Amino acid sequence: GQNIDQPTEMTATEGAIVQINCTYQTSGFNGLFWYQQHAGEAPTFLSYNVLDGLEEKGRFSSFLSRSKGYSYLLLKELQMKDSASYLCAGLPAGNKLTFGGGTRVLVKP
Amino acid sequence: ETGVTQSPTHLIKTRGQQVTLRCSSQSGHNTVSWYQQALGQGPQFIFQYYREEENGRGNFPPRFSGLQFPNYSSELNVNALELDDSALYLCASSETGGGTKNIQYFGAGTRLSVL
Repeated sequence: GQNIDQPTEMTATEGAIVQINCTYQTSGFNGLFWYQQHAGEAPTFLSYNVLDGLEEKGRFSSFLSRSKGYSYLLLKELQMKDSASYLCAGLPAGNKLTFGGGTRVLVKP
Repeated sequence: ETGVTQSPTHLIKTRGQQVTLRCSSQSGHNTVSWYQQALGQGPQFIFQYYREEENGRGNFPPRFSGLQFPNYSSELNVNALELDDSALYLCASSETGGGTKNIQYFGAGTRLSVL
């Protein structure tokens, strides 16, 4: 199986940058996902990394190192609406996501 | 193109009762996965359906069961409800195959409260 570990909570200031780290067990790995989830709402897809390196998508970037079992989500130019939980999820064999506990990001003015 | 829809949005049941939750997958998606999310935690995989067959199951007891229909919509049934079953139940749909077809798109969920 895969254990997904990420910090519980992070606080940052509007306009700043925040990096959310995620580590996972490397056995049977088929990709790493990041989702954003506002309180009481559905998770929304942010990024999918299957190869090593950095994927940039506007203010959000995601990085993957398969040999280290490590990923991060980088949020730039933080806005108040970015306050949410960010879920790291691994894809072991098949198509069954294994989620971490989520990182709650609080953006302060 | 319609997204993933779930019904009902909220549900209150008492211990020992049975519940059925429904999910319509996104247009063009043939795989449906169900997750349970307790408050403040990440979603936990319950099971997945592909071509009307169960295609993998997480660590949930047999009183959690499901169905998938020919139009790829799905149901989650929970028998003999327990207080710990109170959670947000999420449905996600996807295509099959590699690459971006692995991306799962979630519905808004059903909030189940067991009293």
